[in-house]
Amino acid sequence: DSGVTQTPKHLITATGQRVTLRCSPRSGDLSVYWYQQSLDQGLQFLIQYYNGEERAKGNILERFSAQQFPDLHSELNLSSLELGDSALYFCASSPRTNVLTFGAGSRLTVL
Amino acid sequence: DQQVKQNSPSLSVQEGRISILNCDYTNSMFDYFLWYKKYPAEGPTFLISISSIKDKNEDGRFTVFLNKSAKHLSLHIVPSQPGDSAVYFCAASRGPNSGGSNYKLTFGKGTLLTVNP
Repeated sequence: DSGVTQTPKHLITATGQRVTLRCSPRSGDLSVYWYQQSLDQGLQFLIQYYNGEERAKGNILERFSAQQFPDLHSELNLSSLELGDSALYFCASSPRTNVLTFGAGSRLTVL
Repeated sequence: DQQVKQNSPSLSVQEGRISILNCDYTNSMFDYFLWYKKYPAEGPTFLISISSIKDKNEDGRFTVFLNKSAKHLSLHIVPSQPGDSAVYFCAASRGPNSGGSNYKLTFGKGTLLTVNP
């Protein structure tokens, strides 16, 4: 157990729908990072939050949004889902170091 | 534009031999490099890292070498064990931005290592 908790582990939905992925960082970590891993792709950085504020944005689509709440948990919202959004979504947390600790991921399947 | 490249999608070695995984990067601003290991159905786990001020870092059976002039790093596993079979990701960081709160990692696509008994 890495200490980073992601829910749900698996999610199957239809095109056009909206889903929310949740992440609880390790105790004491203020930073949360979201990554997407599609088939045959590496981990693509989506977005980072630090203590509730957005700090960096990567290849995140406009249909996707995220936030970090006062208790430091984070949610990634994916809307108007397309088949190509099927992927593993990882959350990672960090205590202001380069070493990110990852959760087990949420596998999203869009049918 | 892929800034971190792992050109070998897979590698197969015999138990007890050396595994060498390679990684190239293009962004000269990267100053910290990490290797992560990933088993199926799990998230990536941190393995070993190296700062750009060093050219070698060792931790047990794992050694990472950095050649800054060639923008190349490698991970050596000696001796390789069947439990080392996993996907290995190389990652790079530019160091902290935003007042020391952003340590975004850029990842390669990974190399699947298979260690045969």
